[in-house]
Amino acid sequence: DAKTTQPPSMDCAEGRAANLPCNHSTISGNEYVYWYRQIHSQGPQYIIHGLKNNETNEMASLIITEDRKSSTLILPHATLRDTAVYYCIVRVEGAAGNKLTFGGGTRVLVKP
Amino acid sequence: NAGVTQTPKFQVLKTGQSMTLQCAQDMNHEYMSWYRQDPGMGLRLIHYSVGAGITDQGEVPNGYNVSRSTTEDFPLRLLSAAPSQTSVYFCASSSPGGVNTEAFFGQGTRLTVV
Repeated sequence: DAKTTQPPSMDCAEGRAANLPCNHSTISGNEYVYWYRQIHSQGPQYIIHGLKNNETNEMASLIITEDRKSSTLILPHATLRDTAVYYCIVRVEGAAGNKLTFGGGTRVLVKP
Repeated sequence: NAGVTQTPKFQVLKTGQSMTLQCAQDMNHEYMSWYRQDPGMGLRLIHYSVGAGITDQGEVPNGYNVSRSTTEDFPLRLLSAAPSQTSVYFCASSSPGGVNTEAFFGQGTRLTVV
């Protein structure tokens, strides 16, 4: 699996958009970008994933650059409950949920 | 929907004791995995399974055994607990294909070995 690089931490104001970057410059053509988050030592929670097109669901948007070497997770209106550690993971979709490699993630603190 | 259920939620063991952490899922997922998370760290893969009767080692398998006799259950056995195994353990399940391939995690078992 391709290695990912994320900033260790970032702050965000409540109600504002939070933009979380992820670098995956060695991504292969059949690897997807997955995002999970972990709130206060709970089990990680799936957020969104994509291959090359931008994706949006009820939780977030995922923007993947044209060369697929980086991506950005966007939380459109951050709330205090979005305070968590966010993990960017690159994985082949057929085995996507299995054998996940978690890096350090980005610790996001949403402030009032 | 129960999802992924882990028991117990908390456990204290003495060094040298053995125990089994239970994990059950009701989503008919073929894939199941065990991870451990030490304070301030990301999750690390212990063992995983791609179906009943099939298991393999992950990144940190020493001191742990697994078996997968049914699709629903994937227990993790600590053979002789050591203080270095103090950690939070997470079980996950997923489907290998189709629309939804994301992993679903349990709420964790917090294990302390004294």
